Amino acid sequence: GAVVSQHPSRVICKSGTSVKIECRSLDFQATTMFWYRQFPKQSLMLMATSNEGSKATYEQGVEKDKFLINHASLTLSTLTVTSAHPEDSSFYICSVGSGGTEAFFGQGTRLTVV
Amino acid sequence: AQSVTQPDIHITVSEGASLELRCNYSYGATPYLFWYVQSPGQGLQLLLKYFSGDTLVQGIKGFEAEFKRSQSSFNLRKPSVHWSDAAEYFCAVSDSWGKLQFGAGTQVVVTP
Repeated sequence: GAVVSQHPSRVICKSGTSVKIECRSLDFQATTMFWYRQFPKQSLMLMATSNEGSKATYEQGVEKDKFLINHASLTLSTLTVTSAHPEDSSFYICSVGSGGTEAFFGQGTRLTVV
Repeated sequence: AQSVTQPDIHITVSEGASLELRCNYSYGATPYLFWYVQSPGQGLQLLLKYFSGDTLVQGIKGFEAEFKRSQSSFNLRKPSVHWSDAAEYFCAVSDSWGKLQFGAGTQVVVTP
């Protein structure tokens, strides 16, 4: 399966600042990547579908201007949380769709906004 | 629209006892079904998956799941749990592009 690396694994930032999370597909060229968010003791919710070379597709209720996604190459997608607030504190995890059916996940990023 | 239901939020099981986690799905076509496990503060690990073929699927760590189309279910089982099986378990359904919809999860606690 595909190997997906996510960085950083943990980040603490001040309220009002922006944070960038990277998702790299190390051994697979990914035209599509997915970003999920998981609040404490809750399930994972899809935030957006990242498409290489084009705009991301956001799920309903996810602010595209707040969660900026860039998928500039077949191996890298980035999620930038802009003007972060404490309510954005969450576990963010990306996945790569391999062959259209199975997903391979990164290790996740624990974001804490103080 | 596809959906996944895990009716049990929390299950407590004794070490050595059997475990069954329930999962029901709603999907228009033949679903791609998955079970993932998540330890506290960790990412997701794939336990097993079903795409087609044999409806009894064997996974890692001694887990298995059975796809029952008539019941729209994909329940996860393990004959004898170990203390290390304490974790959160997620059932998920995927469309053809690898986009997953997860159930709410079942927290498994293993007692001595």
